[in-house]
Amino acid sequence: AQSVTQPDIHITVSEGASLELRCNYSYGATPYLFWYVQSPGQGLQLLLKYFSGDTLVQGIKGFEAEFKRSQSSFNLRKPSVHWSDAAEYFCAVVSYNNNDMRFGAGTRLTVKP
Amino acid sequence: KAGVTQTPRYLIKTRGQQVTLSCSPISGHRSVSWYQQTPGQGLQFLFEYFSETQRNKGNFPGRFSGRQFSNSRSEMNVSTLELGDSALYLCASSSAGIQGDGYTFGSGTRLTVV
Repeated sequence: AQSVTQPDIHITVSEGASLELRCNYSYGATPYLFWYVQSPGQGLQLLLKYFSGDTLVQGIKGFEAEFKRSQSSFNLRKPSVHWSDAAEYFCAVVSYNNNDMRFGAGTRLTVKP
Repeated sequence: KAGVTQTPRYLIKTRGQQVTLSCSPISGHRSVSWYQQTPGQGLQFLFEYFSETQRNKGNFPGRFSGRQFSNSRSEMNVSTLELGDSALYLCASSSAGIQGDGYTFGSGTRLTVV
């Protein structure tokens, strides 16, 4: 069955520290991959996306993600976290022949001062 | 350009009533998708419309329905509301489906069923 897994429900990092949020997927073929961020009471904002090509993708707000086909992963990274990065992060996938976007359960990020 | 607009932002309804939510996509976007977000189930896909036709449908009961108008605006209707329908309903639009720029989400409609 197709699925998206974000293993970490909640992560706490100190401001200025590096961040990595994990995402694994299970699909028949490489899907389209996305990371979204959601602040409380708000909609989702697209951080970055991967369709094909270079496996290291740069996004907004200093985020990047790396697609690893062998591990079926698309982890989100940021070298230095800012307090304003505290939010919930969602990994999402879409099968290449379907417009149905499936989301992981989300990872809530807390940033300590 | 204006983003995805969802109205109303907040709704309180009584169990058994029906409700209609509205979504105005980004100008020029023809694909509109709807999602339900709850703490327990997370983000779940409801349906997608493209050029007034439902193209994909998630696993929700028939009480959940939608439609899209010729100007790409979309409405979602939930009949015979249940307490479990309380959720944040998100609408997303894209130019031609996910293969384009991806989805742009609205801020959502918070529905509370009492």
